[in-house]
Amino acid sequence: NAGVTQTPKFRVLKTGQSMTLLCAQDMNHEYMYWYRQDPGMGLRLIHYSVGEGTTAKGEVPDGYNVSRLKKQNFLLGLESAAPSQTSVYFCASSSDDNYGYTFGSGTRLTVV
Amino acid sequence: SQQGEEDPQALSIQEGENATMNCSYKTSINNLQWYRQNSGRGLVHLILIRSNEREKHSGRLRVTLDTSKKSSSLLITASRAADTASYFCATDASGSNYKLTFGKGTLLTVNP
Repeated sequence: NAGVTQTPKFRVLKTGQSMTLLCAQDMNHEYMYWYRQDPGMGLRLIHYSVGEGTTAKGEVPDGYNVSRLKKQNFLLGLESAAPSQTSVYFCASSSDDNYGYTFGSGTRLTVV
Repeated sequence: SQQGEEDPQALSIQEGENATMNCSYKTSINNLQWYRQNSGRGLVHLILIRSNEREKHSGRLRVTLDTSKKSSSLLITASRAADTASYFCATDASGSNYKLTFGKGTLLTVNP
């Protein structure tokens, strides 16, 4: 089992560019999440999904969009990247049977 | 907003000693979870304790929960150098719709 796979692992963007981060899970989990981790800030929830076709805003959603067209995939989009979006992004998934999250290995994004 | 706050922010001990980390939170919860993060990696779920439980064990880990004080502690016994990592508590607040809120973490260093 691969668990939760994030692509890409590293990316450098110029201010104003757009990109999509892909998260894929093979555990048939209903719930998926995108967090960002910044030094001294811990993890903050950007967006989440409670099932295929659903999305909802988290704590810091501005500047990001998400889509969950397939149950196993959760995409995070940055339409116009800003230096403040420089961060490490983590995707996670969970289920009703086990509320513990399974995390991906992260995407380190730098916006210059 | 941070629901959980870990204490201390950093802890340095010798191999073989016990390590205790504390977490305080603000609102009523369904469950509280602890995660470990090795440098540059994703978070790994360690243990979950439900609001109606007071203590839980898993291997060398012991977690306690005091809902009246809104606090939890994680004890790692007989620590090893491989336990060096950041440890995060995360709360599933009542009515949160399966979203976890993470604290800022405790950096544990176990010296050989």
